[in-house]
Amino acid sequence: GAGVSQTPSNKVTEKGKYVELRCDPISGHTALYWYRQSLGQGPEFLIYFQGTGAADDSGLPNDRFFAVRPEGSVSTLKIQRTERGDSAVYLCASSLSSYGGADTQYFGPGTRLTVL
Amino acid sequence: GENVEQHPSTLSVQEGDSAVIKCTYSDSASNYFPWYKQELGKRPQLIIDIRSNVGEKKDQRIAVTLNKTAKHFSLHITETQPEDSAVYFCAEVYGGSQGNLIFGKGTKLSVKP
Repeated sequence: GAGVSQTPSNKVTEKGKYVELRCDPISGHTALYWYRQSLGQGPEFLIYFQGTGAADDSGLPNDRFFAVRPEGSVSTLKIQRTERGDSAVYLCASSLSSYGGADTQYFGPGTRLTVL
Repeated sequence: GENVEQHPSTLSVQEGDSAVIKCTYSDSASNYFPWYKQELGKRPQLIIDIRSNVGEKKDQRIAVTLNKTAKHFSLHITETQPEDSAVYFCAEVYGGSQGNLIFGKGTKLSVKP
């Protein structure tokens, strides 16, 4: 079946602009995660959804970052007033469920965000 | 806070040799330890995982061992092939969390033909 998909694959924006990054999880997966990966580093956790609600947003770096998942499927990561330090690859992952212990997380191809 | 140390950062081996990558974690409540392989410009892909109720797991040329007492786990790749060249990340799910992964910094493995 189809894996996790993310759009756009690349996004170039100017400092101060607003961007939206989209994630389509694997059908039937109730858990959805956003990570950020800087060059030469491992992915860093941002936010986790179980269904429609954000179960853990402790990884969001500041209040310029926000994410939604209104119908429990597609999720959008929103970044306001972008800064050059926001440049990274934003990865989305989904898993069947997080209840009762961790399930395998399947990653999307990522969105490479470049802030000029 | 939660922390995963991964060593070495780079590893170069000859084709056919074995490769070992080690990770240590800080929280004894951690209960799930996956390993991901990431080729340049591609998504991380799970290659093997282990849960805290077992000490070893093997899948063909890949094995993972877990030492809960010492809080470390290792990836073992035998009979390495050039296509094994990639960056490998260990990760843990902190026992108190609901599933978010904490990753090591990665090991760049190069297998020379």
